Amino acid sequence: EDKVVQSPLSLVVHEGDTVTLNCSYEVTNFRSLLWYKQEKKAPTFLFMLTSSGIEKKSGRLSSILDKKELFSILNITATQTGDSAVYLCAVPAPGSARQLTFGSGTQLTVLP
Amino acid sequence: KAGVTQTPRYLIKTRGQQVTLSCSPISGHRSVSWYQQTPGQGLQFLFEYFSETQRNKGNFPGRFSGRQFSNSRSEMNVSTLELGDSALYLCASSTRTVAEGTEAFFGQGTRLTVV
Repeated sequence: EDKVVQSPLSLVVHEGDTVTLNCSYEVTNFRSLLWYKQEKKAPTFLFMLTSSGIEKKSGRLSSILDKKELFSILNITATQTGDSAVYLCAVPAPGSARQLTFGSGTQLTVLP
Repeated sequence: KAGVTQTPRYLIKTRGQQVTLSCSPISGHRSVSWYQQTPGQGLQFLFEYFSETQRNKGNFPGRFSGRQFSNSRSEMNVSTLELGDSALYLCASSTRTVAEGTEAFFGQGTRLTVV
């Protein structure tokens, strides 16, 4: 059974800090790893990392994938209060790329 | 481009009742997946529909069912509601799948409370 483990479970930082969120996975037939940000209700898509795309960057957010060690990290630099959210990582199931297995998420709180 | 639309946003039901939730995917998306989110279990996959056919099903009892219409809109039904069914139900739509997978876009969810 696929397993996705995120750490830490929660994190409190001050504006301007840099944070690193971790996601380790155990899947058969790895396809990709996805990161989402969930503020209130709808998780919003951030990145998809694959064997051919192991690094992604968008503004202050960046993510890398280590296929050998089976983990991914999400970095947020110069954090802002608007970054406060739950960050989720997910992997597609072996049988269906549209069936996602999610980690428990990291609750990030950015204080002013 | 309109996003994924879920209705209703909030619902309160009594144990033993049944409920139907609706999801309209992004225009052009033919795949709709449903997830249950609870504080204890996190986000868990319920089932996925593609071209009006259920393609995959998660580990949930038969009280949870769904369907998809020809316009790709999907409904999810829960019968004989239990207190433990209280959760945020999220719907996600996606386009065709490439080998690596494809990002899913989520709706705002339906918050179901069973009393």
